[in-house]
Amino acid sequence: AQTVTQSQPEMSVQEAETVTLSCTYDTSESDYYLFWYKQPPSRQMILVIRQEAYKQQNATENRFSVNFQKAAKSFSLKISDSQLGDAAMYFCAYRSADSGTYKYIFGTGTRLKVLA
Amino acid sequence: NAGVTQTPKFQVLKTGQSMTLQCAQDMNHEYMSWYRQDPGMGLRLIHYSVGAGITDQGEVPNGYNVSRSTTEDFPLRLLSAAPSQTSVYFCASSPGRTRTRETQYFGPGTRLLVL
Repeated sequence: AQTVTQSQPEMSVQEAETVTLSCTYDTSESDYYLFWYKQPPSRQMILVIRQEAYKQQNATENRFSVNFQKAAKSFSLKISDSQLGDAAMYFCAYRSADSGTYKYIFGTGTRLKVLA
Repeated sequence: NAGVTQTPKFQVLKTGQSMTLQCAQDMNHEYMSWYRQDPGMGLRLIHYSVGAGITDQGEVPNGYNVSRSTTEDFPLRLLSAAPSQTSVYFCASSPGRTRTRETQYFGPGTRLLVL
């Protein structure tokens, strides 16, 4: 069975600085998706970034980028120029690309604090 | 386009009561899921559906039932509420088979307190 591990329960970053959140996963599959979701205090789950495993290039979305290391099964999120609005829980998630499977596996989350 | 909607936002139940959490999406998505979120445990999948008339169990299905009679609606039924079911419940949907659009869209959540 697949697992997703976020080993940092909490992180802090100074405003305008850069922070990296870690995520590792375990799977025997070769084709899958990886996601980072943000959950602010409003509880709404917001997609930050997605990565398809067959793509070598790391995904980027404005200030958010990932470091996808397929062999190491690592999928870290880098937030550049951190802003106060980035403070939230961040969840890493995995989903098999097998069209017969529709199960997302979530990590336990990392709470990010942004210091003014 | 409302996206994924959930009702109610908050509910208090007594042990043994039953209730249905409603979820609807207006994006014509094939896939829908129910999760519960507990402190320190992330989101855990309860049940999911890959189309009308098709449902399957997730990681924590005990005590919950689902059905999917239409593409739009995916209600979650608590048969006999227990304090262990106190949680925040999220419904989510995704397009399904279109690979390049694979992303889950979440509802705002329902907070459930079982006394």
